[in-house]
Amino acid sequence: AQKITQTQPGMFVQEKEAVTLDCTYDTSDPSYGLFWYKQPSSGEMIFLIYQGSYDQQNATEGRYSLNFQKARKSANLVISASQLGDSAMYFCAMREGRGGATNKLIFGTGTLLAVQP
Amino acid sequence: GAVVSQHPSRVICKSGTSVKIECRSLDFQATTMFWYRQFPKQSLMLMATSNEGSKATYEQGVEKDKFLINHASLTLSTLTVTSAHPEDSSFYICSARGRRGARETQYFGPGTRLLVL
Repeated sequence: AQKITQTQPGMFVQEKEAVTLDCTYDTSDPSYGLFWYKQPSSGEMIFLIYQGSYDQQNATEGRYSLNFQKARKSANLVISASQLGDSAMYFCAMREGRGGATNKLIFGTGTLLAVQP
Repeated sequence: GAVVSQHPSRVICKSGTSVKIECRSLDFQATTMFWYRQFPKQSLMLMATSNEGSKATYEQGVEKDKFLINHASLTLSTLTVTSAHPEDSSFYICSARGRRGARETQYFGPGTRLLVL
């Protein structure tokens, strides 16, 4: 079964508008972490934001915020005031367990975001 | 600046040759390194997890004799693709986990594009 599901293969957004990228996850472990990464065409993976399963508040990092709905097992990324440089592939990832040394990151299939001027 | 480096960034080789990719953590000690593979327009697939000084743990379906991983020090891991074939052409990304300051962190390298002719 898919652990991480990103149902949007691609999204368009107008510059300066907000966009939500969907991510749902599946785990029976009560302790887990959720990550969002940005991958531009150069290929590097850029860490954006992290949400721990026990965190009481939704994570925010500048223009990025994570809409964490624990009961629905969703962790959507919201990008506010989109910029042309936000055009990239976005991956949601999950790490089960308490972040032990070998706990691995499992990635979703990604969403390609295109910001239009 | 970058905290994880990979070398080379691109490599083209003939079928049957072996290729070594280095992954270095630049300003922290990486207790664990992860090697991922990414085909065009696809997600990152974990190949193996390695801890310093011990044998790597490979994911199901990944041939350990073909993809040799050595994690000889806390700052260096290598992936050797032995007897490479065209189907091994891919984007290989390493990720290093360890303590950087007071926090445990995980960063990705910039990736290595391998083309086997």
